[in-house]
Amino acid sequence: AQKVTQAQTEISVVEKEDVTLDCVYETRDTTYYLFWYKQPPSGELVFLIRRNSFDEQNEISGRYSWNFQKSTSSFNFTITASQVVDSAVYFCALSERQGGSEKLVFGKGTKLTVNP
Amino acid sequence: EPEVTQTPSHQVTQMGQEVILRCVPISNHLYFYWYRQILGQKVEFLVSFYNNEISEKSEIFDDQFSVERPDGSNFTLKIRSTKLEDSAMYFCASSYQTLARSDFGPGTRLTVT
Repeated sequence: AQKVTQAQTEISVVEKEDVTLDCVYETRDTTYYLFWYKQPPSGELVFLIRRNSFDEQNEISGRYSWNFQKSTSSFNFTITASQVVDSAVYFCALSERQGGSEKLVFGKGTKLTVNP
Repeated sequence: EPEVTQTPSHQVTQMGQEVILRCVPISNHLYFYWYRQILGQKVEFLVSFYNNEISEKSEIFDDQFSVERPDGSNFTLKIRSTKLEDSAMYFCASSYQTLARSDFGPGTRLTVT
């Protein structure tokens, strides 16, 4: 069975600090995809990134960066120079394809609060 | 940029009543999903739908739930007889292929009283 663990339930930082959100996953498949979604206080789910299991290159998008390490089954997310607008719940998710169907399995989320 | 839309944004219903939650997926997407999120908890998969039939459903998706794509644009989730524990945010999502990015709608908050 798939499993996604986000051990950090809540994190609080001061604006401009860097913060890393951890994600550890379990899967028996060799082909899978990992995702991060942001859920701001308004409630919608905003796609941030998708990474396939064969691509271990780190990715940077502005202040956001992702570190995928297959050896430790981790896909961590770092926000550099955090801002108040980054305050949200962040979900890591794993997708597998089984028999033609697929679904996203989400972690429990990490609530990030960025204080001014 | 195309978006997934959902109506209504908030639905209040009494226990035992039927509700239909509506979604309009992105027009060229082929795979459709419903997820739910009980307040303060994680997002949980309910059902996936492709080629006019259910591909996979979770244990949550029992006989009280059904999905339909009645025309070329809408995708609906029906709960036949709502229970208090059905109170949650329901998200519709769509993707153009499997394992692609799923685009989520803004959600429908269902409150069962």
